[in-house]
Amino acid sequence: GAVVSQHPSWVICKSGTSVKIECRSLDFQATTMFWYRQFPKQSLMLMATSNEGSKATYEQGVEKDKFLINHASLTLSTLTVTSAHPEDSSFYICSARVGWLGGYLRFYEQYFGPGTRLTVT
Amino acid sequence: KNEVEQSPQNLTAQEGEFITINCSYSVGISALHWLQQHPGGGIVSLFMLSSGKKKHGRLIATINIQEKHSSLHITASHPRDSAVYICAAQLANAGGTSYGKLTFGQGTILTVHP
Repeated sequence: GAVVSQHPSWVICKSGTSVKIECRSLDFQATTMFWYRQFPKQSLMLMATSNEGSKATYEQGVEKDKFLINHASLTLSTLTVTSAHPEDSSFYICSARVGWLGGYLRFYEQYFGPGTRLTVT
Repeated sequence: KNEVEQSPQNLTAQEGEFITINCSYSVGISALHWLQQHPGGGIVSLFMLSSGKKKHGRLIATINIQEKHSSLHITASHPRDSAVYICAAQLANAGGTSYGKLTFGQGTILTVHP
């Protein structure tokens, strides 16, 4: 099946620094990738939708200047947490979407990355 | 009320038992996903359903579109099945096309004891 990788798998950084997380679709092209955040014992929360070659669409309450998303190619999206603070410590997960037409409906399959655990000290 | 509700929130079973996790949703969907998240955090996509039933090994997923309900069954459960199981609704707009965004249930924590 389709594989999505994330790098790094975990990172510890100091408060005030920036951290970049990469999401790659390894054996398929994804025009759309999603970035999620998950706090302990909570479900995934969609942060933003990343479309190749265009600006990301952020969910309400997510600061786009703090969480910079770049989708430079059909296989790579990056999330940069700028000026990280301890409250940004979380598990960040990306997913890559492929779609196809089925009659009048467009269906999508999403493949999830393994996640990146960010700890800001 | 959440748009996607799972039950139970916690489930403990003995090895070999048949397990059912339920998911109800209140929105129009184009598909429903079942995901598995292990303690390390990584998420695996188990099923994507738009109708009927799918089976993969010991896992079976069903969906009833009219009742807005889906179930995930695990036959002959094993300790390695211990994980969080999440259902996620892929939303459809009024026109019937899908944006592909997912709305997640709160997850069911499954623990299978040997």
